[in-house]
Amino acid sequence: DIQMTQSPSTLSASVGDRVTITCRASQSIGRWLAWYQQKPGKAPKLLIYQASSLESGVPSRFSGSGSGTEFTLTISSLQPDDFATYSCQQYNNYSWTFGQGTKVEIK
Amino acid sequence: QVQLQESGPGLVKPSGTLSLTCGVSGGSISSSNWWSWVRQPPGKGLEWIGEIYHTGSTNYNPSLKSRVTISVDKSKNQFSLKLSSVTAADTAAYYCARVKGAMDVWGQGTTVTVSS
Repeated sequence: DIQMTQSPSTLSASVGDRVTITCRASQSIGRWLAWYQQKPGKAPKLLIYQASSLESGVPSRFSGSGSGTEFTLTISSLQPDDFATYSCQQYNNYSWTFGQGTKVEIK
Repeated sequence: QVQLQESGPGLVKPSGTLSLTCGVSGGSISSSNWWSWVRQPPGKGLEWIGEIYHTGSTNYNPSLKSRVTISVDKSKNQFSLKLSSVTAADTAAYYCARVKGAMDVWGQGTTVTVSS
């Protein structure tokens, strides 16, 4: 099974900060990587698919990059609505795996 | 647009079977998408359970495969999850989702507690 490791687990930041979250796969997954935002008590929301494609309706301050085993999610200028937990997800060999999540909290 | 809604008992006894249904509205379950179940134990990360195509083809998480059955009912435009031999470790919020490249549409989720 492919394992997904996110870092950091928690990130403290201020409004306006540039934020970067990293996701590493235990083996190459090409570009089969998605990013989700989740707020307490709510379902996850798709932000990025195929590593760098922005889901319709998602603000352009969100961007994704990477391929193979290392991927990043960047928020160019953190907004109050962005304080949430972010999870990466891979698809390989008919199986999906999520990272453990990164909580972005107010500094 | 497509909307998903989970339904089923919120309390299941240990060793019993958890049964949930996901109703699809605003679109057809026979469209060219897979349909997934994902769960999230309290305070923990997301775990993929499995997925189904309208033809009945399924893929399951290897760690749960022996206990999971996902089925589809095209006449009712819904798909279902059964998880057998449940324990307290199966207590979680359960979500259904549409898979279109990634999981782009989600239900609101339903909490299932395993307790006697």
